[in-house]
Amino acid sequence: GQNIDQPTEMTATEGAIVQINCTYQTSGFNGLFWYQQHAGEAPTFLSYNVLDGLEEKGRFSSFLSRSKGYSYLLLKELQMKDSASYLCAVYGNNRLAFGKGNQVVVIP
Amino acid sequence: DAGVIQSPRHEVTEMGQEVTLRCKPISGHDYLFWYRQTMMRGLELLIYFNNNVPIDDSGMPEDRFSAKMPNASFSTLKIQPSEPRDSAVYFCASSSDSQRGYTFGSGTRLTVV
Repeated sequence: GQNIDQPTEMTATEGAIVQINCTYQTSGFNGLFWYQQHAGEAPTFLSYNVLDGLEEKGRFSSFLSRSKGYSYLLLKELQMKDSASYLCAVYGNNRLAFGKGNQVVVIP
Repeated sequence: DAGVIQSPRHEVTEMGQEVTLRCKPISGHDYLFWYRQTMMRGLELLIYFNNNVPIDDSGMPEDRFSAKMPNASFSTLKIQPSEPRDSAVYFCASSSDSQRGYTFGSGTRLTVV
């Protein structure tokens, strides 16, 4: 099975940098995804890591360490619209399993 | 492309009634997934299809839940009889590859009273 752990909530100031961590345990690993979900909306795809290291995409970067079962999502130059839940999802055993998400609240 | 289309957006029903949720995946996507989201349990995979065939239904909570995909452009998730604990947001997602990012529909918010 799969076990995915994320902190539940954090608050950050507009313009700041925030790091959201995710640890996982899975029997069979084929990639890790990050999704963004605004309240009342569907999750939307942000990033995908399958090899160790950092993937950068604009203001968002995602890091993976397979040996440690660890990933983080880095959000830079925070904007008010970044207030959302950020879901870590692990692909393994032919299924994509999601963590419960980390709620990020951006304040002025 | 219109994306993944789900209907209805909201459903309120009485305990014991039958509920049918509908999903139209993105054209050309061979994989279709049904997820349920609650505050307590997060997003849980219920069932997924590949080329209209159910591949893994181990997440379906119990026999009250059933899902079908009669063709490549339509799927249903049925709950009969519904119970208050089934209240959740049900998402449908589709993908061209099971290991790529999924595209989610807007979800159906189900309330069973």
